[in-house]
Amino acid sequence: QLQLQESGPGLVKPSETLSLTCNVSGASVSGFGSYWGWIRQPPGKGLEWIGSIYFSGSTYYNPSLKSRVTISVDTSKNQFSLNLSSVTAADTAVYYCVKPVARREWFDPWGQGTLVTVSS
Amino acid sequence: QSELTQPPSVSGAPGQRVTISCTGSGSNIGSDYDVHWYQHLPGTAPKLLIFGTSNRPSGVPDRFSGSKSGTSASLAITGLQADDEADYYCQSYDSSLSGFVVFGGGTKLTVL
Repeated sequence: QLQLQESGPGLVKPSETLSLTCNVSGASVSGFGSYWGWIRQPPGKGLEWIGSIYFSGSTYYNPSLKSRVTISVDTSKNQFSLNLSSVTAADTAVYYCVKPVARREWFDPWGQGTLVTVSS
Repeated sequence: QSELTQPPSVSGAPGQRVTISCTGSGSNIGSDYDVHWYQHLPGTAPKLLIFGTSNRPSGVPDRFSGSKSGTSASLAITGLQADDEADYYCQSYDSSLSGFVVFGGGTKLTVL
C-alpha cells in the first residue's frame, strides 16, 4: 500500500526558502511512468496545486509559483522534495505531498499534511 | 481566485439529496478534461471521492455520483448522513498558459 509522509521545518522566516521532503513507502519514486507532487492549503482557504515531477525528472509547476518552486526526486532515499524560495506570510499553509495518477489527472493518495508557518 | 467556481456552502437534512456545482470555462472543463472530487475533513488528508468525472474509487458508497455538462460539473450526494459533513473540492486541468491543475474554491456541506 502506497503511503506518503511529509517532513520538514514547521516555521520558516520571511525571505528564506521553505524545504519539505516526502518519504514514499510502498512504491519507488523512480518507477516507470510515475508522478509525484505537492499541493497546499492556506488557513481558511482552498487547495492550491504547487507542482508535479515525472519519474524522468520533467517538472510541471503552477504558473503563479513557477519562479520560486523547485521539485526534485532523491532515488537513493526514495523521497521527493519541495523547495519554495523567498517566502512570505502568504506561503503559510498546510503542505501535502501527493501521488498524481498522471500529469492532468487526479491525486491519490495524499500525505497527512504538514503546517508550515512563515513568520519572523 | 479559483479557476473553478463552487458555491461556498450547501446544506441538507439527513436522508436528502444535495448537489454541488463546479463551474469552469472553455480552457478546462469545457475542453473535455475530466473532473475529480475530494472530500476533506478538518485535520485530515483530502480523500478522493470521484475520479474521471463519474467514477468512484473502491470503498466510496454509490450515494456519491459525479457528472459533467459543457463547462460545468456536479457532485450529487443522496441519502445524506451526518458524517458527510465536510468540505468538497472539484479539480480539473486547465490548458491555458503552459497548462496547470486547477481546484475549485471548495464547498462546505452542512448536514442539518
